[in-house]
Amino acid sequence: EAQVTQNPRYLITVTGKKLTVTCSQNMNHEYMSWYRQDPGLGLRQIYYSMNVEVTDKGDVPEGYKVSRKEKRNFPLILESPSPNQTSLYFCASSGQQGNYEQYFGPGTRLTVT
Amino acid sequence: QKEVEQNSGPLSVPEGAIASLNCTYSDRGSQSFFWYRQYSGKSPELIMFIYSNGDKEDGRFTAQLNKASQYVSLLIRDSQPSDSATYLCAVNPSNQFYFGTGTSLTVIP
Repeated sequence: EAQVTQNPRYLITVTGKKLTVTCSQNMNHEYMSWYRQDPGLGLRQIYYSMNVEVTDKGDVPEGYKVSRKEKRNFPLILESPSPNQTSLYFCASSGQQGNYEQYFGPGTRLTVT
Repeated sequence: QKEVEQNSGPLSVPEGAIASLNCTYSDRGSQSFFWYRQYSGKSPELIMFIYSNGDKEDGRFTAQLNKASQYVSLLIRDSQPSDSATYLCAVNPSNQFYFGTGTSLTVIP
């Protein structure tokens, strides 16, 4: 089954404790992306990757890091989480370098206390 | 100015009616336009995408694009209660994606 998976689905952590949210897709897609979704602000792109070893900042990259060492994986790293990073996070992937539809993962609900 | 603007709603229509959802965008270089549906607590799922001016139909859904007016819309014919969701408009003027905040639609049985 073609899918985008994210782990963990739910995470409660404390300020400053480094964490990684994993994202993996099995569709051989070149384009992968991370979003956060907040009430009233909608989906905002954090980082995206056009292909392996190519990553670029989206609209809200501050406080986040990503890497793309393999085509299928695109982890999101919060090195020192803060309460304002409490949000719902989605990973997405797309073929054709983003020119076509994105497929979204199930989401990760992160709470930073 | 936001890249993508949508009326947040809520929009309520009776079952069987036509629901009309609207979206405007600011970047004239935008080439691709997408409509996603998101049920509460779920991830967005693609309904339609459109690249060319005019209409594109897929079942009960029709996307309309007017690049001169920087306007894209989604019509849902014969609306069903299962269409009740938030509808997100998205554009990608470059390699980035910009989403509107979504329009909440309720279809009343």
